[in-house]
Amino acid sequence: GAVVSQHPSWVICKSGTSVKIECRSLDFQATTMFWYRQFPKQSLMLMATSNEGSKATYEQGVEKDKFLINHASLTLSTLTVTSAHPEDSSFYICSARASVSEQFFGPGTRLTVL
Amino acid sequence: GENVEQHPSTLSVQEGDSAVIKCTYSDSASNYFPWYKQELGKGPQLIIDIRSNVGEKKDQRIAVTLNKTAKHFSLHITETQPEDSAVYFCAASSGGSEKLVFGKGTKLTVNP
Repeated sequence: GAVVSQHPSWVICKSGTSVKIECRSLDFQATTMFWYRQFPKQSLMLMATSNEGSKATYEQGVEKDKFLINHASLTLSTLTVTSAHPEDSSFYICSARASVSEQFFGPGTRLTVL
Repeated sequence: GENVEQHPSTLSVQEGDSAVIKCTYSDSASNYFPWYKQELGKGPQLIIDIRSNVGEKKDQRIAVTLNKTAKHFSLHITETQPEDSAVYFCAASSGGSEKLVFGKGTKLTVNP
């Protein structure tokens, strides 16, 4: 149980284009999902908290107009990187909260912006 | 806000030996402490967690201990195997916050 999927697993795009990443909880409903960013050999950095049916809460320093988050259902949250630039290249990971505290992570999406 | 320190940053052990990774936290209100294992190119996998009303929890070769007074918790892996090689992250969260604050990770290498 507690399986979280992400799609795509990797994506390469040109600078200036937008990329959408999907995060799904496959066997449970998640009212809250989280989006993280991870640079090589570093820890996870929380970008935003996504609550079903309401606006996402962004961490300090994260541009909400650049990283659009939608959580339209209890099993799906999406992260759209708008007007992507090479500095946005990173490993993006989502997690879904299965209980009061437990978070289960997706496999991650490797974004490369050329 | 919460701050989590994790040590060591790298750990190399021989197969069959034990490995211990330690974390300290700053917010006394934190009450949930999970440990994640992350293999290269994959997402973190929850391997064990502990809540503040418990001092120790064990699951086969993995155990976690919590000292609330000292605000530190540790991961213990016994009889290590090469497949235990990965990066391990500790984290902490408080009941008032849904957020997890992560340590910087420990790269564990188990040598055959």
